[in-house]
Amino acid sequence: DTAVSQTPKYLVTQMGNDKSIKCEQNLGHDTMYWYKQDSKKFLKIMFSYNNKELIINETVPNRFSPKSPDKAHLNLHINSLELGDSAVYFCASSQEWRGRGPTDTQYFGPGTRLTVL
Amino acid sequence: EDQVTQSPEALRLQEGESSSLNCSYTVSGLRGLFWYRQDPGKGPEFLFTLYSAGEEKEKERLKATLTKKESFLHITAPKPEDSATYLCAPNSNSGYALNFGKGTSLLVTP
Repeated sequence: DTAVSQTPKYLVTQMGNDKSIKCEQNLGHDTMYWYKQDSKKFLKIMFSYNNKELIINETVPNRFSPKSPDKAHLNLHINSLELGDSAVYFCASSQEWRGRGPTDTQYFGPGTRLTVL
Repeated sequence: EDQVTQSPEALRLQEGESSSLNCSYTVSGLRGLFWYRQDPGKGPEFLFTLYSAGEEKEKERLKATLTKKESFLHITAPKPEDSATYLCAPNSNSGYALNFGKGTSLLVTP
């Protein structure tokens, strides 16, 4: 059973296009996240959703818009793609938002490698 | 501002040669320090969480320890399958998500 899944695994597109990445978790968690890992392998938080509500929005261009249709899904839509958006995007989930003990543990998906040409 | 630094950036070991990876952190109130392993082309895989200074956790050849300023990941008699990037991430009271270090890339050769 895949706990956190993402589609697609690879995404190659032209500058200026709009694309979406989907994420689903079957762990019954309340909180989901999007991280970006750049070419230097640095993993940085972008967004966090708790019970379908946005709770973190780091300094991310407003071309990036997360959407959570339900607690098990958090999709990332990117408008007007730029070369600098090329990276690997990871979805993650945790049982609680700022919980105690093991409920803080985040579980990651396999990543989506986005290449903008 | 919360900060985390991992060292060394890269480490090459022979099979069976034990060593330690370091994670130095500065956070305003530690809620927990997380260690993850990341294999090429895959997402980070959870290893340990440490919550207070003095705490230790073990899993197979790995042992994680925590002080008020650092965490160490000790690798005893490593095998080639331990080759991966190891990431640490302190979670602070003032933060909203894991603050990852840049990782240590470990290569274990036969």
